[in-house]
Amino acid sequence: QQQVKQSPQSLIVQKGGISIINCAYENTAFDYFPWYQQFPGKGPALLIAIRPDVSEKKEGRFTISFNKSAKQFSLHIMDSQPGDSATYFCAASRISPSGAGSYQLTFGKGTKLSVIP
Amino acid sequence: NAGVTQTPKFQVLKTGQSMTLQCAQDMNHEYMSWYRQDPGMGLRLIHYSVGAGITDQGEVPNGYNVSRSTTEDFPLRLLSAAPSQTSVYFCASSYGHGGGYGYTFGSGTRLTVV
Repeated sequence: QQQVKQSPQSLIVQKGGISIINCAYENTAFDYFPWYQQFPGKGPALLIAIRPDVSEKKEGRFTISFNKSAKQFSLHIMDSQPGDSATYFCAASRISPSGAGSYQLTFGKGTKLSVIP
Repeated sequence: NAGVTQTPKFQVLKTGQSMTLQCAQDMNHEYMSWYRQDPGMGLRLIHYSVGAGITDQGEVPNGYNVSRSTTEDFPLRLLSAAPSQTSVYFCASSYGHGGGYGYTFGSGTRLTVV
């Protein structure tokens, strides 16, 4: 059972364009939604994150839009650059069903973004 | 400040062999976890720890053991390697384990089981 669904699997965007990656979740117990960026041969790195009581968060060229009623959130990359070419993962955090007070972070399957000059 | 250090970076095992993937962090983080990354599958949680002496299972724990004797170290043991365990393994740590704490990932261990 996939708890966080991410789309598209891959995305090609022209330099200067807007990259949009979407995620959806079912479990309303999720309370924290980060995005991670991963370059080839490296571990993922935290990019930006949002809580469900906020509808939008912007950091530089990166914006998260969050729709609590639809249980969807998305990452927008404005003025996309070749250096943004990477795999992006959305994730969601909730209290672990097995551990008292401990949390689990569940990832989407990732989107490979290619920004072409 | 080294962050999260994983060793080895690459490993080839024969089916049935055992080995330990090492993970160490120098940030005094309470929370540590192990993920495996497979093509098209994203990152799946294997085991995690909320502090020294406390571990719990994640989504795909079978075939793996962990222990947490110190805050700094969180090794992952493969008891009897199987080809299905061929993957890239990532260790991650965070200051806390509640929502709102970003994870710091290591650079990964690429494991091949033949």
